Amino acid sequence: DQQVKQNSPSLSVQEGRISILNCDYTNSMFDYFLWYKKYPAEGPTFLISISSIKDKNEDGRFTVFLNKSAKHLSLHIVPSQPGDSAVYFCAASARRIQGAQKLVFGQGTRLTINP
Amino acid sequence: DVKVTQSSRYLVKRTGEKVFLECVQDMDHENMFWYRQDPGLGLRLIYFSYDVKMKEKGDIPEGYSVSREKKERFSLILESASTNQTSMYLCASSYQTLRVDTEAFFGQGTRLTVV
Repeated sequence: DQQVKQNSPSLSVQEGRISILNCDYTNSMFDYFLWYKKYPAEGPTFLISISSIKDKNEDGRFTVFLNKSAKHLSLHIVPSQPGDSAVYFCAASARRIQGAQKLVFGQGTRLTINP
Repeated sequence: DVKVTQSSRYLVKRTGEKVFLECVQDMDHENMFWYRQDPGLGLRLIYFSYDVKMKEKGDIPEGYSVSREKKERFSLILESASTNQTSMYLCASSYQTLRVDTEAFFGQGTRLTVV
C-alpha cells in the first residue's frame, strides 16, 4: 500500500523554465511533508518542507504547495538550472503519541534540465 | 556540520552470508531509520528506532533485523543474504518529532551486491 505516490517517473524541462513535481498521499494523518533531492551514489539531501497548517512555503527558487483537501503537494523550481537535474523524493510524516515518527517516501521523479 | 556515516560505500557478499551494515550519527538524534532504494520503488522503510534498544518494523522488514545498543549507532543485519537484497541501503536520523525546520539527515548510502 503506497501511501505517498509520485506518479511521474521522469520529467524533462528546459533551462530557465519552471519545473513542477507532483506528489499525492492517502493518509490523512500526515501533517508534515518534505522534499529531498538525490544525486547518483549519494544520500538524499533535504530541500524544503511544509507543515499541514500552511498551504505554501518558499525558499529561494523552491516553493512547495500543499492542497490538503486533494491530498496533493507540488514542488516548483523556478528558474530551473542544470544542477537541478537529480531524482526528487516527496516524503510525509504523521505525529505520533509515542515512538518514532515514521517517514514515508514516494517513488521519486527523475528531473532532467536541458540546456 | 551534521553527519550520518555509513561504514561502507560498496559491499559484495555471497548468498547465505550474514551481513552487517553500520550507521553512526553525531547529532544526538533520537530517531534512526534504514531504507533501501530500488529503481521505480523509491525509498522503502525497513526498520526504524526512536531510542536505544527500541525498534519498529517498517514496510519491508522481512529478511532483516536491527540493533541499537547506543544512541548514535544503528545497525542493519541481513541474517542470510539473498540476491533480492541487492540494493542501495540508506541510513537516516532525525529528532524524535519532525516539525517545521527539522528534517531527517541521510548517510551517503551503501551499495550492496549479493552474488
